[in-house]
Amino acid sequence: GAVVSQHPSRVICKSGTSVKIECRSLDFQATTMFWYRQFPKQSLMLMATSNEGSKATYEQGVEKDKFLINHASLTLSTLTVTSAHPEDSSFYICSARWGAGANVLTFGAGSRLTVL
Amino acid sequence: AQKVTQAQTEISVVEKEDVTLDCVYETRDTTYYLFWYKQPPSGELVFLIRRNSFDEQNEISGRYSWNFQKSTSSFNFTITASQVVDSAVYFCALLTNTDKLIFGTGTRLQVFP
Repeated sequence: GAVVSQHPSRVICKSGTSVKIECRSLDFQATTMFWYRQFPKQSLMLMATSNEGSKATYEQGVEKDKFLINHASLTLSTLTVTSAHPEDSSFYICSARWGAGANVLTFGAGSRLTVL
Repeated sequence: AQKVTQAQTEISVVEKEDVTLDCVYETRDTTYYLFWYKQPPSGELVFLIRRNSFDEQNEISGRYSWNFQKSTSSFNFTITASQVVDSAVYFCALLTNTDKLIFGTGTRLQVFP
């Protein structure tokens, strides 16, 4: 149980286009999901906390107009990278809480974005 | 401040060797959780263990074992008789009442046959 599905796993786009990444909790409801970003050979940095039915909470330094997050249902959160540029190329990973006490995070498989 | 330090950037061992990955954390919270995740080359994060701050018992799961010592703020991870399939990046992480999971910088483990 507690599977998080992330789609697409890989995406290549041209500079200036927008890309949407989906994060779904398959067998549980997730009122809160988290979006992380990972540069090559680096750690995971929290970008934002996605809350179902309300606005996302962004970490310091993360542009909310650049990285649009929508959490319209209890099983789906989306991250849209708007007007993507090469510096946005990265590995994006979502996660959701599950389990007693809701303090275990299950991660999606990640989405590798390459902006040409 | 909340912080996780994994001082070992890369470790290389030969199969069947034992290897310990170090993790030191900082927090002023009395209630917190510590995690270890494995990230194989494919990129996904695999949950290995969760430990809460009130449970200092060491844990063993097959070839994996964890040593949690609050006195030194450490949560070290040992792989016994390492295998090539253990090659991955391992992350230690801390969850406090800020509700945010903070990752260490990771340790890349390479196990050679």
